[in-house]
Amino acid sequence: AQKVTQAQTEISVVEKEDVTLDCVYETRDTTYYLFWYKQPPSGELVFLIRRNSFDEQNEISGRYSWNFQKSTSSFNFTITASQVVDSAVYFCALRFRQGGKLIFGQGTELSVKP
Amino acid sequence: NAGVTQTPKFQVLKTGQSMTLQCAQDMNHEYMSWYRQDPGMGLRLIHYSVGAGITDQGEVPNGYNVSRSTTEDFPLRLLSAAPSQTSVYFCASREGGSGNTIYFGEGSWLTVV
Repeated sequence: AQKVTQAQTEISVVEKEDVTLDCVYETRDTTYYLFWYKQPPSGELVFLIRRNSFDEQNEISGRYSWNFQKSTSSFNFTITASQVVDSAVYFCALRFRQGGKLIFGQGTELSVKP
Repeated sequence: NAGVTQTPKFQVLKTGQSMTLQCAQDMNHEYMSWYRQDPGMGLRLIHYSVGAGITDQGEVPNGYNVSRSTTEDFPLRLLSAAPSQTSVYFCASREGGSGNTIYFGEGSWLTVV
């Protein structure tokens, strides 16, 4: 089965705290792609990162970092020193080499309070 | 830089009415798709297209039709709207080949009463 699980439905933190959003995926494919999207209160979906299954190197972009571990089928997203503007719903998604279908997790709603 | 453009942004329909959600992209992307977003369900694929003239069903295709007569356009038709189709709809596109990032439109909020 192809599936993405974001077990954390809602997370609430205080500004400047670090927060990690979990993403666990299931797939039989050896080649696949993982994504994170942000959906702010305005509703649009904003692309954050894409990771290929054959590249387990972790990535850092400013306050954002991603930890990809094939051994545990996880692709976790950490925000360091969170800010109020980080408040949004974050979606993890999985895509296979064949076709353009994305399978989404249910999303994690992050609330950063001042 | 228009990207993926969806119209309308908001729509209220009566049960049984029909309507078309428009989606256009100006990036010459081969792949286009429609998703719906419901609370607690994430985004689910309705229909997708791998090129002009080619469409296929996604996870939740019932009640929706699509066509792809041009590379740029991928309209989603609701033939007889039902309250269960109240949702937020997203159109997306990407280049051909593996791994390319998918870009989303801004979303269309549809309410069926």
